[in-house]
Amino acid sequence: GAGVSQTPSNKVTEKGKYVELRCDPISGHTALYWYRQSLGQGPEFLIYFQGTGAADDSGLPNDRFFAVRPEGSVSTLKIQRTERGDSAVYLCASSLGGNNEQFFGPGTRLTVL
Amino acid sequence: LAKTTQPISMDSYEGQEVNITCSHNNIATNDYITWYQQFPSQGPRFIIQGYKTKVTNEVASLFIPADRKSSTLSLPRVSLSDTAVYYCLVGVGIDSNYQLIWGAGTKLIIKP
Repeated sequence: GAGVSQTPSNKVTEKGKYVELRCDPISGHTALYWYRQSLGQGPEFLIYFQGTGAADDSGLPNDRFFAVRPEGSVSTLKIQRTERGDSAVYLCASSLGGNNEQFFGPGTRLTVL
Repeated sequence: LAKTTQPISMDSYEGQEVNITCSHNNIATNDYITWYQQFPSQGPRFIIQGYKTKVTNEVASLFIPADRKSSTLSLPRVSLSDTAVYYCLVGVGIDSNYQLIWGAGTKLIIKP
């Protein structure tokens, strides 16, 4: 079956702009995760959804970052007033549950100029 | 808060067994330990997961001592294609209290 997909694959924006990153998880996976990964670093946890609700958003760095998953499937990560420090690869993963194997998408490379 | 530590890099040769250890001193009693592999420009890929003692699958083994403060990923007979970054991941809590702590990754280079 289809894996986790993320769009766009690359996004270049200017400082101060608003961006949305989309994640389509594997069908039937109730858990969805967003991570941020900078070059040479491990993934940095941002937020975890169980169904439609954000079970843990403790990793969101500040209030410019927000994520939704209104129907318990597709999720959108939203970043307001982007800053150059937001440049990174944003990874999405889904799993059957909180302790299960996570399946990752290819990521969206965000570049803020 | 659980924290993980693993070597920054390791080298080995084709056909050898490679062991990568991750320390997680503050792991809670209900934490799982998971290892992922990542190639450049790709998302991480699941290798193996365990809770205690030893787990083995078709690609690796995971050894977890009784105190669970560390874990060792064992890759038997590595090949050039095993060159990648390997991450240990500790889960803390369940459901709404779940937190994920990733190591910084071990860059493994396999030489011919």
